Amino acid sequence: DVKVTQSSRYLVKRTGEKVFLECVQDMDHENMFWYRQDPGLGLRLIYFSYDVKMKEKGDIPEGYSVSREKKERFSLILESASTNQTSMYLCASLEGTGSYNEQFFGPGTRLTVL
Amino acid sequence: KQEVTQIPAALSVPEGENLVLNCSFTDSAIYNLQWFRQDPGKGLTSLLLIQSSQREQTSGRLNASLDKSSGRSTLYIAASQPGDSATYLCAVRGAGNKLTFGGGTRVLVKP
Repeated sequence: DVKVTQSSRYLVKRTGEKVFLECVQDMDHENMFWYRQDPGLGLRLIYFSYDVKMKEKGDIPEGYSVSREKKERFSLILESASTNQTSMYLCASLEGTGSYNEQFFGPGTRLTVL
Repeated sequence: KQEVTQIPAALSVPEGENLVLNCSFTDSAIYNLQWFRQDPGKGLTSLLLIQSSQREQTSGRLNASLDKSSGRSTLYIAASQPGDSATYLCAVRGAGNKLTFGGGTRVLVKP
């Protein structure tokens, strides 16, 4: 089974702090994604990566950056955390581009910015 | 721009009843459609994936159908159990490997 892990289940940070959210997948998947999930807004794509050192903006990239130095690891960075970035953050991975490939999600990180 | 809608937003049924969850999407140019389950405060668990060339997929008590031309998918859960209580999300994959999610249907199965 594919396993996607996230470094923290719960995280509390202060406004202005730099925050790192880590995601690791163990199945050599090419594609990795970061989403945030908010009540009433659903899941929204922040950034994704289709290869090492490659990244593309999703629908809401403002205030975030990402890093993918190794294939198995995809990091989401909040350069200067703000209260409106309090949310549930979900990481996902996808093996390839075929129609039979499915996305697998990690357990999520609940981030609170005070 | 792809839009995915799930109706109803919430559903409550007695144990043993069959569940029918609906998902509609506006752009039929999709690679596949996935159904997910999410328990409160947790991540998403993939339930079923239907490729764009397929009409349905089955796994145990779960059956999902896809009518790409009309932009609809339905998830059937037979003989519901209290453990089926969760939020169910559908998502379609289009160009660029991006998933577009519906808002989810929150299901409560009463014992």
